[in-house]
Amino acid sequence: NAGVTQTPKFQVLKTGQSMTLQCAQDMNHEYMSWYRQDPGMGLRLIHYSVGAGITDQGEVPNGYNVSRSTTEDFPLRLLSAAPSQTSVYFCASKRDRDQPQHFGDGTRLSIL
Amino acid sequence: AQKVTQAQTEISVVEKEDVTLDCVYETRDTTYYLFWYKQPPSGELVFLIRRNSFDEQNEISGRYSWNFQKSTSSFNFTITASQVVDSAVYFCALGANDYKLSFGAGTTVTVRA
Repeated sequence: NAGVTQTPKFQVLKTGQSMTLQCAQDMNHEYMSWYRQDPGMGLRLIHYSVGAGITDQGEVPNGYNVSRSTTEDFPLRLLSAAPSQTSVYFCASKRDRDQPQHFGDGTRLSIL
Repeated sequence: AQKVTQAQTEISVVEKEDVTLDCVYETRDTTYYLFWYKQPPSGELVFLIRRNSFDEQNEISGRYSWNFQKSTSSFNFTITASQVVDSAVYFCALGANDYKLSFGAGTTVTVRA
């Protein structure tokens, strides 16, 4: 997880609250992605970005918003948290097509 | 649509045994990438290998080896002479471009001393 920083590491929310999960990388990577990990299901892609100002939906985008105003940052927003969004969230980045993704350490989010 | 199946949910072995993790994939893309990631108990995801669909050569890295067979859509991973530090969840993943990955459900490997 070289250079991909996720904050916070843990968070507990109440249903209906909003929250932004932060992801920052200092490697000047163009590609960034958000995944969620649920027991028995592996990781699923939420949103991704191929560069500043460009974002697109992944496999499970509902309930989440993203923006990419800078190359370094790719925040994930939960506008109205639901218990189904309880999960571990991973941010990843990569420089170009020839390099693998680097993952952050994850954010464990619980919604009551 | 892409799909990755890791049929083994859990594998338990005694130290020094070999362990093979199966990965079967489905894709309509002619060009794609396959990956293995390791997730130790501490929770981070560690990249192990990336293979593109045009490179069917098997690869060995220390005690790790990978067998890619396009004819059977499989990308299996073997740990030789397993050690307790190999205990982790291992994920196989697939992507047409490797920033949009589809992951398998993972295989939990427990190596007992």
